[in-house]
Amino acid sequence: KNQVEQSPQSLIILEGKNCTLQCNYTVSPFSNLRWYKQDTGRGPVSLTIMTFSENTKSNGRYTATLDADTKQSSLHITASQLSDSASYICVVSDRGSTLGRLYFGRGTQLTVWP
Amino acid sequence: EADIYQTPRYLVIGTGKKITLECSQTMGHDKMYWYQQDPGMELHLIHYSYGVNSTEKGDLSSESTVSRIRTEHFPLTLESARPSHTSQYLCASSGGAGVSYEQYFGPGTRLTVT
Repeated sequence: KNQVEQSPQSLIILEGKNCTLQCNYTVSPFSNLRWYKQDTGRGPVSLTIMTFSENTKSNGRYTATLDADTKQSSLHITASQLSDSASYICVVSDRGSTLGRLYFGRGTQLTVWP
Repeated sequence: EADIYQTPRYLVIGTGKKITLECSQTMGHDKMYWYQQDPGMELHLIHYSYGVNSTEKGDLSSESTVSRIRTEHFPLTLESARPSHTSQYLCASSGGAGVSYEQYFGPGTRLTVT
């Protein structure tokens, strides 16, 4: 069964600190992995997208890594800011159809305290 | 910021009413999607469209229906709302080809059926 599991479910950190969010997946065949940021009451916004040949991709203070062999990804946030408080969703796409089916994780709820 | 819009943003309605959730995008994307998301849970695909006059049901069974008469417009209709339809509905679109296409999400409609 194709699944995307994220950990931790929630995380609280102090402003300025770093954190790492984890994503494990069983989706096969694998096409690409995306990380989205979803603010409360808003739609998800893409942070990074990686294909199987990419190990690392950065977007400002966000750095995503991908290990296609172990089917694991991480999202590292550097020097956190209050505006980083949001849900971070890991999404994996397969190659099983023209649509490129997306499998969503439940997200990690990050709270940054001042 | 993606040019994809959803109205209304919030809707509280009584059981048995007919409702239509609007979604429009100005990016000329051919593919559009509707997702349903409950608090703390993953997004579930309920409908998608490859283009005008093309609509398909997604993975999650839904009593809603959709239409795609114009490229930019993808409304979702519930003929008779029930409390079980209470959820957040997210519309998305994509226009890329290949495996790394990007999905852009609207801000969502929070529906409450009393």
